[in-house]
Amino acid sequence: SQELEQSPQSLIVQEGKNLTINCTSSKTLYGLYWYKQKYGEGLIFLMMLQKGGEEKSHEKITAKLDEKKQQSSLHITASQPSHAGIYLCGAATWGGTASKLTFGTGTRLQVTL
Amino acid sequence: DGGITQSPKYLFRKEGQNVTLSCEQNLNHDAMYWYRQDPGQGLRLIYYSQIVNDFQKGDIAEGYSVSREKKESFPLTVTSAQKNPTAFYLCASSSGTGTLSEQYFGPGTRLTVT
Repeated sequence: SQELEQSPQSLIVQEGKNLTINCTSSKTLYGLYWYKQKYGEGLIFLMMLQKGGEEKSHEKITAKLDEKKQQSSLHITASQPSHAGIYLCGAATWGGTASKLTFGTGTRLQVTL
Repeated sequence: DGGITQSPKYLFRKEGQNVTLSCEQNLNHDAMYWYRQDPGQGLRLIYYSQIVNDFQKGDIAEGYSVSREKKESFPLTVTSAQKNPTAFYLCASSSGTGTLSEQYFGPGTRLTVT
């Protein structure tokens, strides 16, 4: 079965600093999703990557999928308190009309003033 | 205002009782999903549905049941057979266009069984 490992498990950064979260798969990824979650709330969709070498950006968040499609990184530039939360990566293990997602355990991000 | 709604936000039940969690979407999505989230673990797929009147088991379907009588609704019943029902339950949907599509989540229902 597909396994996803996220690193680091938790991260504390000072406001304004850059940071990177990694997501590594034991198998070639069909697709990779990034989500953000505030404690006790639902997941907010950030980005979806499918092609090897693909890179997408939204505001100050950039996600990349490596050429071999086994590793993805999420980079936040000039972090702000609003970036705090849990970041989850999810791997699509099935295509067609429904995509079953397998998730990593998450990276907890704190941004200090 | 399009989105996914789950109700209630918090639910408390006594052990041995069945309980049904609601999930409604007005995104006109074909596919819907139920996940369970436990502390320190990632989300795990319980059931998913690609189309009305059709659904498949996910990785941890034992002790759960679902129905998909309408496109916009995908309720989840947690039965008394589920050994550890206390968890945070998340519903999601995707367009199911035949290619990989974005999957959106509802706000979740926290179920506590005592």
